[in-house]
Amino acid sequence: DADVTQTPRNRITKTGKRIMLECSQTKGHDRMYWYRQDPGLGLRLIYYSFDVKDINKGEISDGYSVSRQAQAKFSLSLESAIPNQTALYFCATIILSPTGRSYEQYFGPGTRLTVT
Amino acid sequence: DQQVKQNSPSLSVQEGRISILNCDYTNSMFDYFLWYKKYPAEGPTFLISISSIKDKNEDGRFTVFLNKSAKHLSLHIVPSQPGDSAVYFCAASALQGAQKLVFGQGTRLTINP
Repeated sequence: DADVTQTPRNRITKTGKRIMLECSQTKGHDRMYWYRQDPGLGLRLIYYSFDVKDINKGEISDGYSVSRQAQAKFSLSLESAIPNQTALYFCATIILSPTGRSYEQYFGPGTRLTVT
Repeated sequence: DQQVKQNSPSLSVQEGRISILNCDYTNSMFDYFLWYKKYPAEGPTFLISISSIKDKNEDGRFTVFLNKSAKHLSLHIVPSQPGDSAVYFCAASALQGAQKLVFGQGTRLTINP
């Protein structure tokens, strides 16, 4: 079973619609992240959360909101979708080494969102 | 302002040879660097990392080299195999704090039989 799951995997929606992308993890990690990937731009950070009471904006948070419903669940919402939000969206969790000298970030399989 | 750059969008290498993927960064606060591999329709998969206290880290066929003075890192894959064909992203962050990764644009590696 995948450790980080995302639903839906693909979604087509119309301009102005509200849409929610969901992420769940079974790793028990506290920290969760949302990224988007655009062609030629790599991945960019939208929001991140250290626990259910902690939400932080990333590099490109405008037009997005998030909800950390539980340690295992972190949802990303587009309040009013626009075409330039067409992208691949990835959720990720992170684990720090006991020494704090390294970490690994685990990504979900992604959601391909198309806004027409 | 692209803080992490992968200047080669694509690279083609013959099977069995060495693949070298390069990455440059500009932010002196970065002290932890990671390489990810991504297949189509999948999320990025962690490959190897290096902290700034080292200049080399090796894991099987994968070796990452870090040149702090040049703000440059590279990933070496030896020998290259067809299954290595994928998009490779380098990423950088400050080890302390929020562990917010800054990604390069990616390099598409194709291994030819």
